[in-house]
Amino acid sequence: EDQVTQSPEALRLQEGESSSLNCSYTVSGLRGLFWYRQDPGKGPEFLFTLYSAGEEKEKERLKATLTKKESFLHITAPKPEDSATYLCAVQAVRGGATNKLIFGTGTLLAVQP
Amino acid sequence: EAQVTQNPRYLITVTGKKLTVTCSQNMNHEYMSWYRQDPGLGLRQIYYSMNVEVTDKGDVPEGYKVSRKEKRNFPLILESPSPNQTSLYFCASSFLFQPQHFGDGTRLSIL
Repeated sequence: EDQVTQSPEALRLQEGESSSLNCSYTVSGLRGLFWYRQDPGKGPEFLFTLYSAGEEKEKERLKATLTKKESFLHITAPKPEDSATYLCAVQAVRGGATNKLIFGTGTLLAVQP
Repeated sequence: EAQVTQNPRYLITVTGKKLTVTCSQNMNHEYMSWYRQDPGLGLRQIYYSMNVEVTDKGDVPEGYKVSRKEKRNFPLILESPSPNQTSLYFCASSFLFQPQHFGDGTRLSIL
């Protein structure tokens, strides 16, 4: 069964204190791995897509990496505005076209000034 | 502005009273989907549509209906709502295999 597990469930950082969020996955053929940010009262907002092991993508203080079993979202020198829930999702290759995303339960990040 | 619009944003209703949550997108996406988000369970897919008149069940379809008569609209119908359908609902759309764009959610409470 395809599955996504995120850790930790919650993370509290001081402003400027770098850290990483983990997304472990098991899937029958990975088409793509997606990272989203979700603010309270809002829908998930797309951050990155990763397609193959070794791939990396960056946006401001965020950097996403991918291996064959997990992805990391590295946050460098975070600011309070980076506080949000970060969601990881995978899209599997299946027989027949489908666009299904399988989500983890997210990491709630709080960055204190 | 490219967006997915859901209405209503909040609804409190009673068991058995039929309701519809509307979803509209202005990006000409062929794919649309409904999710529910519950604490500790994450986002789970209810129904999806690959194009007009093409819909299929997701992981938790029981108690829900959908229709896709136009490309831009994908309403979610609860014909006889029950308390276990109290949840936060999200509509999403995309081109096939591209990142999905989400609406801002509908918080539904069924008493």
